[in-house]
Formats: sequence, structure tokens, C-alpha cells
Amino acid sequence: DAGVTQSPTHLIKTRGQQVTLRCSPKSGHDTVSWYQQALGQGPQFIFQYYEEEERQRGNFPDRFSGHQFPNYSSELNVNALLLGDSALYLCASSLPRSHEQFFGPGTRLTVL
Amino acid sequence: AQSVAQPEDQVNVAEGNPLTVKCTYSVSGNPYLFWYVQYPNRGLQFLLKYITGDNLVKGSYGFEAEFNKSQTSFHLKKPSALVSDSALYFCAVGGNAGNMLTFGGGTRLMVKP
Repeated sequence: DAGVTQSPTHLIKTRGQQVTLRCSPKSGHDTVSWYQQALGQGPQFIFQYYEEEERQRGNFPDRFSGHQFPNYSSELNVNALLLGDSALYLCASSLPRSHEQFFGPGTRLTVL
Repeated sequence: AQSVAQPEDQVNVAEGNPLTVKCTYSVSGNPYLFWYVQYPNRGLQFLLKYITGDNLVKGSYGFEAEFNKSQTSFHLKKPSALVSDSALYFCAVGGNAGNMLTFGGGTRLMVKP
């Protein structure tokens, strides 16, 4: 049983560019959450998707957007990249009524 | 709003000694509390959770945590530390099932032989 998978593992972009990160949830899970973990800090909640809709959003600007597909996989898009967007981006999946979130290995984004 | 505080950036303990990693929280309503561990260049691994029931929760790899409602604390403990326990530990709180988790800043645990 595959756990949560994310791609790519690493990514280097320049300021102003756009990036798309991808996540496949654990088998049987239909809820996907995205978190940003800056170096030396705890993860911060970006948003959560369920039934292809954004269900909850954290304190992130509109440059951060997402999508969930019918197979429950998800994408995180970041436009107009800033140096401060450099971080580890974590995807987590869960069942809709479960309190436990399973995390993927993350995508390390570096903005130069 | 919900928040988590991990007052120690780093905890040092000798192998074989008991360890405690501290966590306090603030949340409206009933808290859902979690501990995760992160190894270098890895995602978060679930250790244990408190939803309801016994205040002492047992989790993976011999870890346990004690929920204290009056002190709003959820400290992580292990009776005998291993060198392989050295990692970054995060406490998190959720307000409702499936909703966002709010994480503390993390505590680095160093277990020395």
C-alpha cells in the first residue's frame, strides 16, 4: 500500500516564475491538505481539499492556489514566486472524519 | 484561533535515560492533539494522538504522551531514550476532525551514547 507521494522531490525556480507541485494521497483517502515548512520552523497550513473543492484555507495570499482531481490527487500552484517561498512543501492525506493526517516526503522548493 | 508552544528548541538526553519533550496548546473547544517526528530531508511521521479517553496515550516506537487539560499540556515521553530517537519533534493541535493542524515550532531531540 503506497503512502502519500509527492513530485518532484526538489525544484529550483527564479523569482517571478510559477510552479506546480503534485500529490497523490494514501489509498482510500479523499482529503488532501498542503503545508509550507520554512527552514527551522514548523509546518504552516496552506489549504485543504475535499470533493474537489477548497474546504479551508490558512493565511496565505492568492498567489497560492490548488486543485483536486476526481482521483483525489492534488496540485499546489504558486504564482509570482518570491524568495520567501523557498520551503519544504508537505502534502497530507486523510479520511474526511479522521483526525490523523498522513504526510508525504515533501517537495523542496528553492527560489533564486 | 488555535496555537501550540514548544518551549525548548533542543533537548539533550543520554541514551537509556527517560526523555520529555514539552508542548502546551490553546484551542477553542475540545482539543485534538498530535505528535509527529521528522528525520532529515523527510516528511512527518505520525507518533501518537489524543482525541478523547485516557489521559496517557501510547504511540509508536515506545513513545507516550500525557494529556493535562488543566495545564493545557501534552508532553511527549519515553522511558528509555535511544540514539536513533534523535530527530525533530513537532506537536500539533486540531480543532475539529479533518480540519487544519497547527504545529509548534519543533524541538530537536539529541540522544547521546
